[in-house]
Amino acid sequence: QQQVKQSPQSLIVQKGGISIINCAYENTAFDYFPWYQQFPGKGPALLIAIRPDVSEKKEGRFTISFNKSAKQFSLHIMDSQPGDSATYFCAASAMEGAQKLVFGQGTRLTINP
Amino acid sequence: DSGVTQTPKHLITATGQRVTLRCSPRSGDLSVYWYQQSLDQGLQFLIQYYNGEERAKGNILERFSAQQFPDLHSELNLSSLELGDSALYFCASSNHPGQGEAFFGQGTRLTVV
Repeated sequence: QQQVKQSPQSLIVQKGGISIINCAYENTAFDYFPWYQQFPGKGPALLIAIRPDVSEKKEGRFTISFNKSAKQFSLHIMDSQPGDSATYFCAASAMEGAQKLVFGQGTRLTINP
Repeated sequence: DSGVTQTPKHLITATGQRVTLRCSPRSGDLSVYWYQQSLDQGLQFLIQYYNGEERAKGNILERFSAQQFPDLHSELNLSSLELGDSALYFCASSNHPGQGEAFFGQGTRLTVV
């Protein structure tokens, strides 16, 4: 119930294309869904987050789509750039209680120039 | 820069030894979370402290312990180290329950030889 499943494990996209990473969760108590971006040797950096009262949130080239009934959410990166090459983690937490983040396994994204 | 400071950045030690990792949260953040990141396990939640009190425990081994001090910095103590403890250890902080946003430090890379 505490798991967050992320796919794909790795993704190669051409420059200018759309990168899509998917996550699914089981715990209906989860009500905060962030995405983190991690470059080699660095800590995860908060990229964008969504709460379940909206179905989509957009910040620049990054969009989260959220489907509460399916318990799924996804990250879309529009006009993908080589600088977007990194590992992306989805996560989920419940705002009540400890609010610890449960992470997906990560997706290694490579944008080819 | 997330504002979360972790020291040391790198640590090499022998099996059986004990080490202490230190984390200074962002100014004003009361919650500190510790995570372990290894290649095959992703980001695993270890333990959370809120304003000096233990708030939640995850997959933390009995050989590991942590504490948060009155000035809100936190230390993670790892003892009787094994080769399998080699990993990146991240600290994250958030300002108070109900916000959800957690900001990660740069991590401590622990190598046990």
